[in-house]
Amino acid sequence: SQQGEEDPQALSIQEGENATMNCSYKTSINNLQWYRQNSGRGLVHLILIRSNEREKHSGRLRVTLDTSKKSSSLLITASRAADTASYFCATGGRGNTDKLIFGTGTRLQVFP
Amino acid sequence: NAGVTQTPKFQVLKTGQSMTLQCAQDMNHEYMSWYRQDPGMGLRLIHYSVGAGITDQGEVPNGYNVSRSTTEDFPLRLLSAAPSQTSVYFCASSNTGAGGTDTQYFGPGTRLTVL
Repeated sequence: SQQGEEDPQALSIQEGENATMNCSYKTSINNLQWYRQNSGRGLVHLILIRSNEREKHSGRLRVTLDTSKKSSSLLITASRAADTASYFCATGGRGNTDKLIFGTGTRLQVFP
Repeated sequence: NAGVTQTPKFQVLKTGQSMTLQCAQDMNHEYMSWYRQDPGMGLRLIHYSVGAGITDQGEVPNGYNVSRSTTEDFPLRLLSAAPSQTSVYFCASSNTGAGGTDTQYFGPGTRLTVL
């Protein structure tokens, strides 16, 4: 069964706008990660946030984690056409330290 | 470093045929895994390995076998291909002791079609 579910499923914005994607999960986690997948390519790791962290930044990316609500958000600021991709959250569970469970993804389209 | 490599990139099989998807990494990672990606389903874990000689099942292991004789290689075998195994397959690896839950490095994928 899927652990994480992203919302929205698809998002279209103009260059320069901010993009926000949300991820909800069901059980306790050790960490939560975000990955990007360009069309026809493998996944690329973006950022990892641990369960004892609330916010993390990396360049134009900002990730928040609310363990009480079992949710996370990924904010991409000042988006570019090159940000067009699918974005997945993945959770590493406390009870399953050898497994990473992926959500269904958000398809982001950034128009020039 | 080449990172994680997968071969072939594309494959078409007939129902009942068997084949092996190859995966190799040159980062000396202990943890390796196989996922399949289907439209609207995200990635689902098939099998994983925490080190040479050790493998375990993921969410959707039926119809697949794996072995890990070396740290570098983690082949995925389809025993008797079925149309339901049409998918894109990704291999991934990770370095740390919490390998399965830390940053994963993905290969470029193998697109498999079973007729």
